Amino acid sequence: QVQLVESGGGVVQPGRSLRLSCAASGFTFRSYGMHWFRQAPGKGLEWVGVIWFDGSNEDYADSVRGRFTISRDNSKNTLYLQMNSLRAEDTAVYYCAREEGLLGGSYPDHWGQGTLVTVPS
Amino acid sequence: DIQLTQSPSFLSASVGDRVTVTCRASQGIASYLAWYQQKPGKAPKLLIYAASTLQSGVPLRFSGSGSGTEFTLTISSLQPEDFATYYCQQLNSYPRTFGQGTKVDIK
Repeated sequence: QVQLVESGGGVVQPGRSLRLSCAASGFTFRSYGMHWFRQAPGKGLEWVGVIWFDGSNEDYADSVRGRFTISRDNSKNTLYLQMNSLRAEDTAVYYCAREEGLLGGSYPDHWGQGTLVTVPS
Repeated sequence: DIQLTQSPSFLSASVGDRVTVTCRASQGIASYLAWYQQKPGKAPKLLIYAASTLQSGVPLRFSGSGSGTEFTLTISSLQPEDFATYYCQQLNSYPRTFGQGTKVDIK
């Protein structure tokens, strides 16, 4: 079955960097676009960014553009989120999700369990 | 960016009630809308995609409708396991945006 397992979260000081990983299994990872989402404590869901199935393109939310970078290693079935210049407002649970093509659109149909990133203020 | 406005933000209901949540988009998104259910401490779960298509394994009491700018999620007979927060998301364009969520609580 499809499994996505995030790791790498923790407490990091403002201005520092952190890299999250998302290990994928149970599907052909190299065939799927992948997203990162986040959810601040007690708040709603926020899209962070996306990477195309082959890594040829990415897009980001304005709130993280220029600070965060999404990459993938299709040989290792792993997605990454490199987070630089971290701020208190980046504190959130970060989720990776697979994008499935459905009825002409593309929808995040499987999500990982999330990993918590805390940036103290 | 496309803004999504959900209503209500909170609703209190009883087991067996029919529940409807509305999601309005700031501009037309055709049928590129998904609904998710999220329980505390858990990842969101895809319920409905393309505005009205039930994801595999989701109970038939869930349904979605709408296109363009107005969408609804309906639970025909609320069950104990349905008490959760529901989010809509537009997938018409980037950035992918969400509604603010609707928390369904026990009356």
